[in-house]
Amino acid sequence: GDSVTQMEGPVTLSEEAFLTINCTYTATGYPSLFWYVQYPGEGLQLLLKATKADDKGSNKGFEATYRKETTSFHLEKGSVQVSDSAVYFCALGSGGYQKVTFGTGTKLQVIP
Amino acid sequence: GAVVSQHPSRVICKSGTSVKIECRSLDFQATTMFWYRQFPKQSLMLMATSNEGSKATYEQGVEKDKFLINHASLTLSTLTVTSAHPEDSSFYICSARVPDRSTNEKLFFGSGTQLSVL
Repeated sequence: GDSVTQMEGPVTLSEEAFLTINCTYTATGYPSLFWYVQYPGEGLQLLLKATKADDKGSNKGFEATYRKETTSFHLEKGSVQVSDSAVYFCALGSGGYQKVTFGTGTKLQVIP
Repeated sequence: GAVVSQHPSRVICKSGTSVKIECRSLDFQATTMFWYRQFPKQSLMLMATSNEGSKATYEQGVEKDKFLINHASLTLSTLTVTSAHPEDSSFYICSARVPDRSTNEKLFFGSGTQLSVL
């Protein structure tokens, strides 16, 4: 079945550091790929998405590229801020909008 | 964006009691809601799909008699953990899908409920 593997956290970075959170997936067919973010005390929010190979999703300075050859969708940001501290979930969607499979989440803490 | 309200955010109960978790879509009507649970250091796992006015569809391995789902209106779905035991302690989160034919970006999530069964 479908699965998502993302790097374990927590990840602690200094402000303005470069961020990479690795994510790889296993799926049949051609899934859509997502990054969700959960800020403390809030629900998950869609951060960015990509629907086909080589697509790059981007939002709020974060980027991720759908790499079919390596089955990866790594999240990157060039310069993190304290306000980026949150839990980040990599996910894939298959069967239209019926099912979303999540990774375990990676907690990011950015210190001033 | 759309708001999904989940209540309570945290609950502690004694073994053998039942706990109800509510998931409300505040500014839209959700014909479909999803319930997930997450154990520490594990993925969010889909438990069931809740459709307004019909029986929920449970994922394999999820006991429907233990996790009762009611989706009686277009803005409210409830999950009741019946006769809770310590192994039911987990993080439960709901999501609601805006009823159109768009992609998964139209899923909106609640903030989750941390259940601890003593």
